[in-house]
Amino acid sequence: EDQVTQSPEALRLQEGESSSLNCSYTVSGLRGLFWYRQDPGKGPEFLFTLYSAGEEKEKERLKATLTKKESFLHITAPKPEDSATYLCAVQPGGGSYIPTFGRGTSLIVHP
Amino acid sequence: NAGVTQTPKFQVLKTGQSMTLQCAQDMNHNSMYWYRQDPGMGLRLIYYSASEGTTDKGEVPNGYNVSRLNKREFSLRLESAAPSQTSVYFCASSVAGGSYEQYFGPGTRLTVT
Repeated sequence: EDQVTQSPEALRLQEGESSSLNCSYTVSGLRGLFWYRQDPGKGPEFLFTLYSAGEEKEKERLKATLTKKESFLHITAPKPEDSATYLCAVQPGGGSYIPTFGRGTSLIVHP
Repeated sequence: NAGVTQTPKFQVLKTGQSMTLQCAQDMNHNSMYWYRQDPGMGLRLIYYSASEGTTDKGEVPNGYNVSRLNKREFSLRLESAAPSQTSVYFCASSVAGGSYEQYFGPGTRLTVT
């Protein structure tokens, strides 16, 4: 059974205080690992797709990395507008159309 | 482009009532999905449509039915609503299934009393 575990469940940072969010996964044949951002009362917004171990992608203050067992979302010098819930999802291989989502990390950045 | 749109935004039903949630996308995507999101449970897939003319069950299909009306539209129907179906429902679409990212609508907040 595919599993995705995100940690921590909640994270409070001061503005400018860099940190990382973790997504640990077990999946049969990874086709892709996805990061999404979700603001309160809104739908998830796509951030990154990672396909293979060693891959990295960046967008503004966010950088996502991938190993064979986990992915990290590094947040450098965060701002209050980075406050959101960050979701991780894995897409298994074998022709499956069903991704498995983690429960998310709720990030609050204080000014 | 509007992306993925959903109607209604909010709905309150009584147990046993029926309703249809509507979803449309204007990105010419082939695949469409319906999820529910509950506190502490994450996103769970109800049904999906890999391409126009096909639909398949996801993780939690009981109590729901879907219709892929055309390439743009994918509706979710609750035939006899139950309090356990109180949730936030999201529609999503992707270019195709598998390794492609999904684009989500704004959600429908449904309360069943």
